Amino acid sequence: DTGVSQDPRHKITKRGQNVTFRCDPISEHNRLYWYRQTLGQGPEFLTYFQNEAQLEKSRLLSDRFSAERPKGSFSTLEIQRTEQGDSAMYLCASSLLKGGTDTQYFGPGTRLTVL
Amino acid sequence: TQLLEQSPQFLSIQEGENLTVYCNSSSVFSSLQWYRQEPGEGPVLLVTVVTGGEVKKLKRLTFQFGDARKDSSLHITAAQPGDTGLYLCAGAGDTGRRALTFGSGTRLQVQP
Repeated sequence: DTGVSQDPRHKITKRGQNVTFRCDPISEHNRLYWYRQTLGQGPEFLTYFQNEAQLEKSRLLSDRFSAERPKGSFSTLEIQRTEQGDSAMYLCASSLLKGGTDTQYFGPGTRLTVL
Repeated sequence: TQLLEQSPQFLSIQEGENLTVYCNSSSVFSSLQWYRQEPGEGPVLLVTVVTGGEVKKLKRLTFQFGDARKDSSLHITAAQPGDTGLYLCAGAGDTGRRALTFGSGTRLQVQP
């Protein structure tokens, strides 16, 4: 049973560049979440999908951020015109809604550094 | 806005000691998860509690969900250096919202 995978694990970019991250959820999980974690803090919710539908977006998700899950399997998170404040760990989680419980399993994260 | 407060923020203890970490909120949660996170890695699920008053044990770790589903605690018995890490509690909203609200974490250091 493979867990949630994320690629790349680390990304260093210059301010103003675009970056894209990929998340592959646990197979058969129908929900996929993106979170952002800065140093010394717990993860903060960005957005989530049920199958291919994006059901909720946080106010943290500015218009420079876009997420997709085109076939209800893997997802991508793109950040356009990166800013230094975007530097953080981007975490993906997946879950299977079952019996009212929706336990989320996290990937290893993508560490973004914007210079 | 749902908030989760964890205490203490930092804890440094000797191997063999017991400890308790607290997670408190004024909001009701439908479920609460505890995760442990190592530096540079994603959170790893330890337990999910769903029912008010529920107690779950995982070897030397005991998790409790408050009767009103607003708070939780994690108790570690006879801590070992391998328990070192960042412990995060996270609640799922009671209104059907599925995004998790995380506490800011408790960083535990167990000295051999």
